[in-house]
Amino acid sequence: DTGVSQNPRHKITKRGQNVTFRCDPISEHNRLYWYRQTLGQGPEFLTYFQNEAQLEKSRLLSDRFSAERPKGSFSTLEIQRTEQGDSAMYLCASSRSSQETQYFGPGTRLLVL
Amino acid sequence: EDKVVQSPLSLVVHEGDTVTLNCSYEVTNFRSLLWYKQEKKAPTFLFMLTSSGIEKKSGRLSSILDKKELFSILNITATQTGDSAVYLCAVGGRRAGGTSYGKLTFGQGTILTVHP
Repeated sequence: DTGVSQNPRHKITKRGQNVTFRCDPISEHNRLYWYRQTLGQGPEFLTYFQNEAQLEKSRLLSDRFSAERPKGSFSTLEIQRTEQGDSAMYLCASSRSSQETQYFGPGTRLLVL
Repeated sequence: EDKVVQSPLSLVVHEGDTVTLNCSYEVTNFRSLLWYKQEKKAPTFLFMLTSSGIEKKSGRLSSILDKKELFSILNITATQTGDSAVYLCAVGGRRAGGTSYGKLTFGQGTILTVHP
């Protein structure tokens, strides 16, 4: 396994700008998850996909957030009109649908100025 | 709403000490409990527990689950400076038909610092 990869690793943006993050899961994993982690807290679930289908979205995911996984492989998470409160680490994880264990990528650290 | 509480929030020990980290949970239709280690980057998987009373062990780390009392412990013996990290506990629930919800609910984490 090459592991879960995320790009970019760091992003600094100004309030009101749009940002997009990419996640490439472990190749044979059909489930892909997005989490957000702020300093001193554990990761909070945002959304997850099984293949191309987005099966669950957290109430944390406001209308400014959208995630896609068009071909059931990589996924993108877009945040529109960023706010300072969006500053966090955005973690992606993947798993097989038959297994509980989720494997995490290195994360994208977002800072909104 | 699912909830996971870890204690203590932080712990400072010296090399060679033994530590016990606690995790209590409330989850609808429990399916699994997972422990992760996080060192300034992505959480790395340690253990998954689904059954009560069965200890999982990997080197100096071990963990056990009590589904009746709704908690788990993670033990680390003969601690080393490389064990310094945040240890995260997470739970997964399942739907009425038995399939998992997918999402994991995490606790706040325990920050472990091991001094030489």
